[in-house]
Amino acid sequence: GEKVEQHQSTLSVREGDSAVINCTYTDTASSYFPWYKQEAGKSLHFVIDIRSNVDRKQSQRLTVLLDKKAKRFSLHITATQPEDSAIYFCAASRGRGSALGRLHFGAGTQLIVIP
Amino acid sequence: DTTVKQNPRYKLARVGKPVNLICSQTMNHDTMYWYQKKPNQAPKLLLFYYDKILNREADTFEKFQSSRPNNSFCSLYIGSAGLEYSAMYLCASRTGGDTQYFGPGTRLLVL
Repeated sequence: GEKVEQHQSTLSVREGDSAVINCTYTDTASSYFPWYKQEAGKSLHFVIDIRSNVDRKQSQRLTVLLDKKAKRFSLHITATQPEDSAIYFCAASRGRGSALGRLHFGAGTQLIVIP
Repeated sequence: DTTVKQNPRYKLARVGKPVNLICSQTMNHDTMYWYQKKPNQAPKLLLFYYDKILNREADTFEKFQSSRPNNSFCSLYIGSAGLEYSAMYLCASRTGGDTQYFGPGTRLLVL
């Protein structure tokens, strides 16, 4: 089955710098890649996603890049702010069709933005 | 309102005793999911309901049961809790699009 890995358990950056969180996946049939954010004491909250028909998607300060050949995707956060501090989870899915939205998550990356 | 609610927020259970966790949503979502989350591990999908059809993951098939008496509610049932069931249990729901909306979780501690 699908295995999603986040190799960085913790990432520290200075406020205003950029942060990049990387994920890899194993299932070539995966076509949907969302990112979730978990702030301290709160539940997972959707932030951005990308589908396999594109290799880049941007939403304000967030950009997701997808490299299907390498089975790798990444979340880029520019001009980081203290409120970006959270655990970020990447996930992969075959989509809501046959897989009915089964999400396979990575173990999370703790992003610390130092003021 | 994209709120998913879970009750209780904290649950203490004894080894060998049953545990029942509740999730609710009022968004008329057709699919409801249960995940298990242990510290420093990825959330792991346990099972989900698509409408009235229960789908259980192969490796947790015999450990968890669920029911969905109506569209809004979904339960997660552990017949006999073991120490290894101590975890955060997250409920999520989805309809139409791919985005899943998560509840705050129930922290289960088995002693």
